[in-house]
Amino acid sequence: DADVTQTPRNRITKTGKRIMLECSQTKGHDRMYWYRQDPGLGLQLIYYSFDVKDINKGEISDGYSVSRQAQAKFSLSLESAIPNQTALYFCATSSGGSGGELFFGEGSRLTVL
Amino acid sequence: AQKITQTQPGMFVQEKEAVTLDCTYDTSDQSYGLFWYKQPSSGEMIFLIYQGSYDEQNATEGRYSLNFQKARKSANLVISASQLGDSAMYFCAMRRRSLADRGSTLGRLYFGRGTQLTVWP
Repeated sequence: DADVTQTPRNRITKTGKRIMLECSQTKGHDRMYWYRQDPGLGLQLIYYSFDVKDINKGEISDGYSVSRQAQAKFSLSLESAIPNQTALYFCATSSGGSGGELFFGEGSRLTVL
Repeated sequence: AQKITQTQPGMFVQEKEAVTLDCTYDTSDQSYGLFWYKQPSSGEMIFLIYQGSYDEQNATEGRYSLNFQKARKSANLVISASQLGDSAMYFCAMRRRSLADRGSTLGRLYFGRGTQLTVWP
C-alpha cells in the first residue's frame, strides 16, 4: 500500500459543485501539503500544515480550503468548483529531518466542466 | 519570492549517453536545500536527489548526480548512462531553511516548471 494515499484518483464534476479531495498518510509525518500541477507551470502550493493546529496558505489558496482532521489526514475542498481549477492535485508529506524531501501521493486528476 | 528556473522545456538524449538538466535558483538565504524529482507519464512524483547548501560535495545517487555551483546558484542534474525508462518530466525544487518560512529545518518546496526528457534508442 502507498504511504500517501489520495482519493479520488480521478474526478469529473460540474461548475459550482463542491468537491473534496482526501489525503491520508502512514509515514507518521507532521507536515502535509497540497500542491496543484498545471501543464508547463510546475507545482504550486495551495495549503500546507505543519501540525494538526497549524494551517497556512500557499501561493494559490483562493477558491480552496483545507481541513487537518488528524495527523494522518489532510483534506482539500473546492467549495464551488470552476473550470480553471481543472488540474492534477498532489498531497505530500515530509518530516523535519535535515533532508526533508516531500513524499507525494499518486495525484488526483480533477476536471471541472 | 523564491524562484527556480529550468530553461530547457525539452531535452533529447540517446540511450547510454549522459545528459545534463539545468536548474538555477534565486535566493538570498544562506541555508537552503535543493531537490530533483522525476515525474513519469503515469504521473507520480519520485524523489531523486538532494543537496544541502552547506554540503561541500556534490550529491550522488546511483546514476544521478547533482552538479552544485553555489556561486552561480545552479543545481544541474546529471544522468549518466541514460535508459529508456528515464524518459519523464524532471523538476528542480528548492526549500528555504529559515525561521521566516515557519520551519526551523523544513519549509515548503518551490518548484521549477520542469524539463521533459526523452531518451531514444
